[in-house]
Amino acid sequence: DIVMTQSPDSLAVSLGERATINCKSSQSLLYSSNNKNSLAWYQQKPGQPPKLLIYWASTRESGIPDRFSGSGSGTDFTLTISSLQAEDVAIYYCQQYYSFPLTFGGGTKVEIK
Amino acid sequence: QVQLVESGGGVVQPGRSLRLSCAASGFTFSSYAFHWVRQAPGKGLEWVAVISYDGKIQYYADSVKGRFTISRDSSTNTLNLQMNSLRVEDTAIYYCARDGKPGYGDWFDHWGQGTLVTVSS
Repeated sequence: DIVMTQSPDSLAVSLGERATINCKSSQSLLYSSNNKNSLAWYQQKPGQPPKLLIYWASTRESGIPDRFSGSGSGTDFTLTISSLQAEDVAIYYCQQYYSFPLTFGGGTKVEIK
Repeated sequence: QVQLVESGGGVVQPGRSLRLSCAASGFTFSSYAFHWVRQAPGKGLEWVAVISYDGKIQYYADSVKGRFTISRDSSTNTLNLQMNSLRVEDTAIYYCARDGKPGYGDWFDHWGQGTLVTVSS
């Protein structure tokens, strides 16, 4: 199974500042057939289901604000919130879809400092 | 708009069975694969199972293999999860989620609100 490790477990960022979340996979997620990384990011607010933010490591889902961006390749990936807003307080998860079983990182809780 | 509505959760004793359903609307059900993803109280997300768009392919997490069965009914646009031999550790919110593109092993682009399953004596 591919193990997904997120860091940090939690972070507190001031409004308007940058938040950076890291995700590391135990093996490469680079799909040779299309040269894309099989990595998605989700946001989950309390009492709500997860919401897709990013797939193929850097493709923003329709309707997601451009302050959210994804980067990385191979085994190391980053979700960046360029200017944190109050509504971004949530837990963020990465997920690999390179192989079954599909696996998630443990989550990173983002709070306002 | 895309809607996924789960039902069937509840409190059940260890060893018993429960059947979850997910009613889909707002899109062409037969064109998409679907997943079940669960979340134990206060914990992270765990993928459970997937079924292909035509129902011919299913994969399961090792933790549920042989006990859970995923199925779909295109006549009613419904996804199901039959859960047998339930264990205390199966306690979780169960979400149905739509696969993000043609295929069956991708990201999840739409999620239901979830249904809570509690396994307790």
